[in-house]
Amino acid sequence: AQKVTQAQTEISVVEKEDVTLDCVYETRDTTYYLFWYKQPPSGELVFLIRRNSFDEQNEISGRYSWNFQKSTSSFNFTITASQVVDSAVYFCALSEAGDSGGYQKVTFGTGTKLQVIP
Amino acid sequence: DTAVSQTPKYLVTQMGNDKSIKCEQNLGHDTMYWYKQDSKKFLKIMFSYNNKELIINETVPNRFSPKSPDKAHLNLHINSLELGDSAVYFCASSQDGRQGPRDYQETQYFGPGTRLLVL
Repeated sequence: AQKVTQAQTEISVVEKEDVTLDCVYETRDTTYYLFWYKQPPSGELVFLIRRNSFDEQNEISGRYSWNFQKSTSSFNFTITASQVVDSAVYFCALSEAGDSGGYQKVTFGTGTKLQVIP
Repeated sequence: DTAVSQTPKYLVTQMGNDKSIKCEQNLGHDTMYWYKQDSKKFLKIMFSYNNKELIINETVPNRFSPKSPDKAHLNLHINSLELGDSAVYFCASSQDGRQGPRDYQETQYFGPGTRLLVL
């Protein structure tokens, strides 16, 4: 069974602070993918990043960075110098073929609501 | 030039009614999905279709019936609506839903969601 845990339900930070959103996953597959999605107050789901299980290189995109560590089954997301526009619910997700006949099945974490206070 | 679109955006209806939500993607993707997001923001897959063929069917009441007339469309029909069906329903698509070699896996892109309220 797969499972994605986002232990932080809600985080508040003051603008310009750095913030890290945690994601821990469980899977028995050796090949899997991890994602982060952003859901702003307007409600749409915005894709941020995909990482496959063979690539543990960390990634940086502007103020966003991701730290993937297979040893701890974690895929954490850091926002540097947070801004009010970063306020949203952030979802971590795990995709594996598992028992779906080779087709991906994505399981989402419960989300972390980030509030950036001006 | 919306990639994944859903109609309607909002749907308010009475218990017991039958309603449909439509989804279309213009990305040329082969696989489409329906997700349900409840009031606590929990997102869960309901169905997945690849080239009009059902490939994932989670434990969803029979009142929910997806229909894929072609690979660019995946509609969701709900019979005998219940209060507990109130949620946001998201459609998504990906190039190919199969798990393959590295980086073959494709990202799912989501529609804007349909907010269903059953009274």
